[in-house]
Amino acid sequence: RKEVEQDPGPFNVPEGATVAFNCTYSNSASQSFFWYRQDCRKEPKLLMSVYSSGNEDGRFTAQLNRASQYISLLIRDSKLSDSATYLCVARGAGNMLTFGGGTRLMVKP
Amino acid sequence: DVKVTQSSRYLVKRTGEKVFLECVQDMDHENMFWYRQDPGLGLRLIYFSYDVKMKEKGDIPEGYSVSREKKERFSLILESASTNQTSMYLCASSLPQAYIYEQYFGPGTRLTVT
Repeated sequence: RKEVEQDPGPFNVPEGATVAFNCTYSNSASQSFFWYRQDCRKEPKLLMSVYSSGNEDGRFTAQLNRASQYISLLIRDSKLSDSATYLCVARGAGNMLTFGGGTRLMVKP
Repeated sequence: DVKVTQSSRYLVKRTGEKVFLECVQDMDHENMFWYRQDPGLGLRLIYFSYDVKMKEKGDIPEGYSVSREKKERFSLILESASTNQTSMYLCASSLPQAYIYEQYFGPGTRLTVT
């Protein structure tokens, strides 16, 4: 079983829609979590951190549920420019990052 | 503006060749990393370095070695390339300890081994 699992998608949504991705992690010792964004043929970039209390950054909301060991990312009012692959990332006890396989989002006009 | 550069965007090598992938960062970061990215598998850590001349194995170090002689430069070496090393290779750097979660990636090298 992969340590960080994501639905690969693609999620095809119209502009303006709200879309949510989930990610599950197997290592309960994972200390903190993040979402990275990777545009097509580009490098990954940090999007936001994930806190148990929730973390909102504009149209993006990230949430952590430690009891169920999953992380979510909600995107409201989707834009064409949100089309990308979203990588769920866990930081382990050794401080290293473990990346999920990514969820691909395609926002259509 | 932070910058991580990699020596090649595309590389084609033959089985058995020795391959060098170079990475340079201009942010004075202590940590540097080499990952490979394969469809469905995500990024997997090959090696990382937290200081000059220091290196630690990641999750999949077999068939690879690294060199860090200067703080800004981290090299990945495939001693004898094999077809299963065909992949996208990404270099990254970060500040140490608590800031390790914010990694800055280079544009990647797509390596094909034939």
